[in-house]
Amino acid sequence: DAGVIQSPRHEVTEMGQEVTLRCKPISGHDYLFWYRQTMMRGLELLIYFNNNVPIDDSGMPEDRFSAKMPNASFSTLKIQPSEPRDSAVYFCASSSTVTNEQFFGPGTRLTVL
Amino acid sequence: SQQGEEDPQALSIQEGENATMNCSYKTSINNLQWYRQNSGRGLVHLILIRSNEREKHSGRLRVTLDTSKKSSSLLITASRAADTASYFCATAKGSNDYKLSFGAGTTVTVRA
Repeated sequence: DAGVIQSPRHEVTEMGQEVTLRCKPISGHDYLFWYRQTMMRGLELLIYFNNNVPIDDSGMPEDRFSAKMPNASFSTLKIQPSEPRDSAVYFCASSSTVTNEQFFGPGTRLTVL
Repeated sequence: SQQGEEDPQALSIQEGENATMNCSYKTSINNLQWYRQNSGRGLVHLILIRSNEREKHSGRLRVTLDTSKKSSSLLITASRAADTASYFCATAKGSNDYKLSFGAGTTVTVRA
């Protein structure tokens, strides 16, 4: 298996633009997690899905952030409009019911100018 | 908010030495996990210890868990330059709780 795939790896955009981050979880995994990592706040859980259904979105910072999982092999995290304080590395991770171990993607480094 | 707090924040050791880092948490847990993050990469799972376990080994890694003190330790023996990374503990509260709370991490530098 190729592991968790994220795209793009790097994104530079201007304030006010829409940003869409993409994630393909490991095949067969039924949990998908979106995290944000910054030096100031560390690793924060934004939202997670089980069987494509959002279970807990309490970590989503504000309405500008939205996430979808239209099928078991694809999820998006969208920021609209983006702001400089959204600059961070965004990770997607997946896991299965069999084990609590989470497998992380390589991350998307987002810079909002 | 972060459940786990690692100590120390940073650690520098000579190749071949052992590295020990600690994690404290606040509420009862079902399991505690340790992850490694190399610079610019995603986190990699190292080991999981359940609340009814006291010690676990995996290669050069040894993890202990003391639920009475709400603390865990990760020991890396005979460290190598490749062990240079940040190490995070993460806790899961319930057996059906797949949501993890991560600590701030310990940055380990292994000098050649």
